[in-house]
Amino acid sequence: KAGVTQTPRYLIKTRGQQVTLSCSPISGHRSVSWYQQTPGQGLQFLFEYFSETQRNKGNFPGRFSGRQFSNSRSEMNVSTLELGDSALYLCASSDGTTNTGELFFGEGSRLTVL
Amino acid sequence: QQQVKQSPQSLIVQKGGISIINCAYENTAFDYFPWYQQFPGKGPALLIAIRPDVSEKKEGRFTISFNKSAKQFSLHIMDSQPGDSATYFCAATSSGYALNFGKGTSLLVTP
Repeated sequence: KAGVTQTPRYLIKTRGQQVTLSCSPISGHRSVSWYQQTPGQGLQFLFEYFSETQRNKGNFPGRFSGRQFSNSRSEMNVSTLELGDSALYLCASSDGTTNTGELFFGEGSRLTVL
Repeated sequence: QQQVKQSPQSLIVQKGGISIINCAYENTAFDYFPWYQQFPGKGPALLIAIRPDVSEKKEGRFTISFNKSAKQFSLHIMDSQPGDSATYFCAATSSGYALNFGKGTSLLVTP
């Protein structure tokens, strides 16, 4: 069974640009959540989608947005990039129907903002 | 505001020793407490998890101890091995999907 796939793995952007990251969950999983990982703040929850609907949202500005498609694939977008957005962005999938908290993470997309 | 506080930030243990990582939380609505293990260049992977109606859970060399009244929980790694060297994150959630992570503990097990 294939794991969670994130693309691109690495990218470099400049301040003011926007970026779109993609996530393909494990086959059969309908929940996709996104986390930002930085050395200073650790892992922080961005948002979670289930069956194309956002169910939970973390405490991030509106520049961070996401969506989920009917095949459960998800994208997140960051507009007007700031230097502080440099981070590893992790996507995680789960079946979304049980409250177990077991998330399966991808290897992340490392974003560098110059 | 960090909802889950984790300590220590880093830990060095000799092979065969016991590694202990502690976490504390404030939100009594949290009802699921997983631990994740992360190796460099990889995403976190679930190690072990506990619910607050249980005081201890053991899986192999890994044990979670949970103190509901103190709002604290800890991970014990018995007979620590060099292959256990990784970053460990505790987490807590009431939704199952929006995990509140601690800041992580970098564990190094020396031969």
